[in-house]
Amino acid sequence: NAGVTQTPKFRVLKTGQSMTLLCAQDMNHEYMYWYRQDPGMGLRLIHYSVGEGTTAKGEVPDGYNVSRLKKQNFLLGLESAAPSQTSVYFCASSKQGLAYEQYFGPGTRLTVT
Amino acid sequence: RKEVEQDPGPFNVPEGATVAFNCTYSNSASQSFFWYRQDCRKEPKLLMSVYSSGNEDGRFTAQLNRASQYISLLIRDSKLSDSATYLCVVTLTSGTYKYIFGTGTRLKVLA
Repeated sequence: NAGVTQTPKFRVLKTGQSMTLLCAQDMNHEYMYWYRQDPGMGLRLIHYSVGEGTTAKGEVPDGYNVSRLKKQNFLLGLESAAPSQTSVYFCASSKQGLAYEQYFGPGTRLTVT
Repeated sequence: RKEVEQDPGPFNVPEGATVAFNCTYSNSASQSFFWYRQDCRKEPKLLMSVYSSGNEDGRFTAQLNRASQYISLLIRDSKLSDSATYLCVVTLTSGTYKYIFGTGTRLKVLA
């Protein structure tokens, strides 16, 4: 099993450009999450999904959209990138909800210039 | 006050030492607790869950103190390979789903 994979691993965008980050998991997990990690801030939840076709806002959702059309995939979109969105983005999945371990992907390093 | 607070460190300890980290949380309704380990520029990975009765996994012991609202991680006989950042996680479902990460405590084990 590959676990949780993310594409791309690195990306540089110009302000105002858009892009989509792809997360895929092969563990048949119901829950999936997108986090961003910034120095001194810890991991912050952007959006999450409790099952195929559902999404919900996390702590820092502004400027991002998500979709979960298939159970194994969770997409994160940046509509109009801003320098404040420069960060490392991690996707994670869990079997069920809060009491369960989250499995993380390797991360995407995004720089917005 | 932050919802979850950790001393950022770094904690520099010699090989073989015992080291302990604490993590405090602000909401008494917090439900589940975890310790994750994160190596430099890598993804976080679960180290252990923290149960009310405390739990041990080899050289690692985790404790929960609900009265004082903190969790702790004790590492005995530190190895060079234990060098990493340790993140505590607290979960909450008071009206909204929250899986809250601390900012992490950095540990360096020195030869």
